[in-house]
Amino acid sequence: QQQVKQSPQSLIVQKGGIPIINCAYENTAFDYFPWYQQFPGKGPALLIAIRPDVSEKKEGRFTISFNKSAKQFSLHIMDSQPGDSATYFCAASISGSSNTGKLIFGQGTTLQVKP
Amino acid sequence: DAMVIQNPRYQVTQFGKPVTLSCSQTLNHNVMYWYQQKSSQAPKLLFHYYDKDFNNEADTPDNFQSRRPNTSFCFLDIRSPGLGDAAMYLCATSRARTGWDYNEQFFGPGTRLTVL
Repeated sequence: QQQVKQSPQSLIVQKGGIPIINCAYENTAFDYFPWYQQFPGKGPALLIAIRPDVSEKKEGRFTISFNKSAKQFSLHIMDSQPGDSATYFCAASISGSSNTGKLIFGQGTTLQVKP
Repeated sequence: DAMVIQNPRYQVTQFGKPVTLSCSQTLNHNVMYWYQQKSSQAPKLLFHYYDKDFNNEADTPDNFQSRRPNTSFCFLDIRSPGLGDAAMYLCATSRARTGWDYNEQFFGPGTRLTVL
């Protein structure tokens, strides 16, 4: 019940395409859903995060869509660029005061954007 | 710029030889986390400190220890590294553990550990 399942494992798109990465969870207590971007040899960096009381959040070319009833959320990258080639991790946590803020990560998606 | 710094970036040790990895932060965050990340896998939380309060994950081997002498620094000690401990070790910080606006985790660049 603590798992976050992420798909696909890898993704190749052409420049300008819109890659979509999907995540699903079981624990309805999760209330914080961040996406991290990680380049090879670097630490993950927070890209965008959403709370379950909204269905969509946009920051620049990155959009999170959230479906609370289906317990799914996804990342869309508009007008993808070769510089977006990286590994993307979704995550979930419980932000209540009795919890540790532990992030439960998905398995990761390696994205390659071809020029 | 405020940041999370990890030293060294690359560490080579011998099987069974103790090794210490360090993390420092200029963010003045209360929480510091240590993660282990193996190739093509998600980061796995080992433990975290909330101020001086140490919180170990149930499945973290006893071989892994941590120290936090002050707010800015946190150390990961691997007492007897095995071949299976070769990985990237990531330090992260957050202002708090809870509260939607305060639990964003900021990661350092990581230390790549090789065990020979």
